[in-house]
Amino acid sequence: QQQVKQSPQSLIVQKGGISIINCAYENTAFDYFPWYQQFPGKGPALLIAIRPDVSEKKEGRFTISFNKSAKQFSLHIMDSQPGDSATYFCAASRHGGATNKLIFGTGTLLAVQP
Amino acid sequence: DVKVTQSSRYLVKRTGEKVFLECVQDMDHENMFWYRQDPGLGLRLIYFSYDVKMKEKGDIPEGYSVSREKKERFSLILESASTNQTSMYLCASLSGTHNEQYFGPGTRLTVT
Repeated sequence: QQQVKQSPQSLIVQKGGISIINCAYENTAFDYFPWYQQFPGKGPALLIAIRPDVSEKKEGRFTISFNKSAKQFSLHIMDSQPGDSATYFCAASRHGGATNKLIFGTGTLLAVQP
Repeated sequence: DVKVTQSSRYLVKRTGEKVFLECVQDMDHENMFWYRQDPGLGLRLIYFSYDVKMKEKGDIPEGYSVSREKKERFSLILESASTNQTSMYLCASLSGTHNEQYFGPGTRLTVT
């Protein structure tokens, strides 16, 4: 069964610190790796995504690091802020497949303390 | 701006009732999805549809069915609600161009 394993389940970081969330996948056919951010009472929203032809993608304070040989990718949040407190989901899919179905990780609840 | 709306934010139903959850998207997306979200389990795919009247089972279809009669609307049906279907239900539609799924706000269903 296709799986995406995510850790940690929860994370507490001080304001200004670095938040790191890790994911590992099994299916080498995956070629699209997004991260979704979900605030309480809202649906998840796309935060940042990467394809395996690059090892890193940065958007503002958010960076995805991708290790194709290890089949791992991670989200780094630099200078973490209380407004970043949310649940984060990694996901993977095979772009161009019949339906671009996403396989989600189990989520990480991030709390950034002021 | 893409908008995915779900018919109810909160719903309380009794065991054995037939339950309809409605989802509407306004971006002419072909692909639509229903997930349930439970603590520690993440988002699990129930059903998806890649075109009108087309549907495919996801990872946990048991106890659910779906209907897609119009492109913009995707309905999730619980034929006979059970307490283990108490959950948050999320609908999403997919932009094929950008491979981004847009989610609705969710429906928190409680079955008593």
